[in-house]
Amino acid sequence: DAMVIQNPRYQVTQFGKPVTLSCSQTLNHNVMYWYQQKSSQAPKLLFHYYDKDFNNEADTPDNFQSRRPNTSFCFLDIRSPGLGDAAMYLCATSRDRGKNIQYFGAGTRLSVL
Amino acid sequence: AQTVTQSQPEMSVQEAETVTLSCTYDTSENNYYLFWYKQPPSRQMILVIRQEAYKQQNATENRFSVNFQKAAKSFSLKISDSQLGDTAMYFCAFMTRRDDKIIFGKGTRLHILP
Repeated sequence: DAMVIQNPRYQVTQFGKPVTLSCSQTLNHNVMYWYQQKSSQAPKLLFHYYDKDFNNEADTPDNFQSRRPNTSFCFLDIRSPGLGDAAMYLCATSRDRGKNIQYFGAGTRLSVL
Repeated sequence: AQTVTQSQPEMSVQEAETVTLSCTYDTSENNYYLFWYKQPPSRQMILVIRQEAYKQQNATENRFSVNFQKAAKSFSLKISDSQLGDTAMYFCAFMTRRDDKIIFGKGTRLHILP
């Protein structure tokens, strides 16, 4: 049973057209993360939520935003996608702060045309 | 700043053989966790094994074991009796105890050959 679910698995958007990726979890975990993973590179943390407390990484572009309307759902909004934003986007959760195991979704592969 | 280095971009071994994946890291912290994550093709990343830095004993999980050398800042993964299902990208990763962020290495793509 999938516990961290990302939709869609594949997303195609046009240059400059806003796009939203979604993540849901059935684990009731407090912490949710968004990572960007480009081809043959390590996942890079964009931001994370501890409950409703949003934590942005210093080098995350302003083009990337996130929303967490409730415990189960978290969204990644890319306001004006550029060609360089084409990547796999991974959502992950952990039970609470200081609980170091993260559970990952299968990812959404974003293509920008 | 913490860094994680995996020096083997790609490896191939025959089924049933033993393989060791290398990882080194750099940190000034004393309390931290180390992980190996597995990312199979088109599937989600899953935790393989975890090591707490204050524990001297090397972690093991069935066919997977680590060689943790704290002084050398080395954390290698050994896969015994490798199986076709072990084919995946393997990421070495690091997290401090006071933080919620994982820092990943660039990964090692492992192919298990029939």
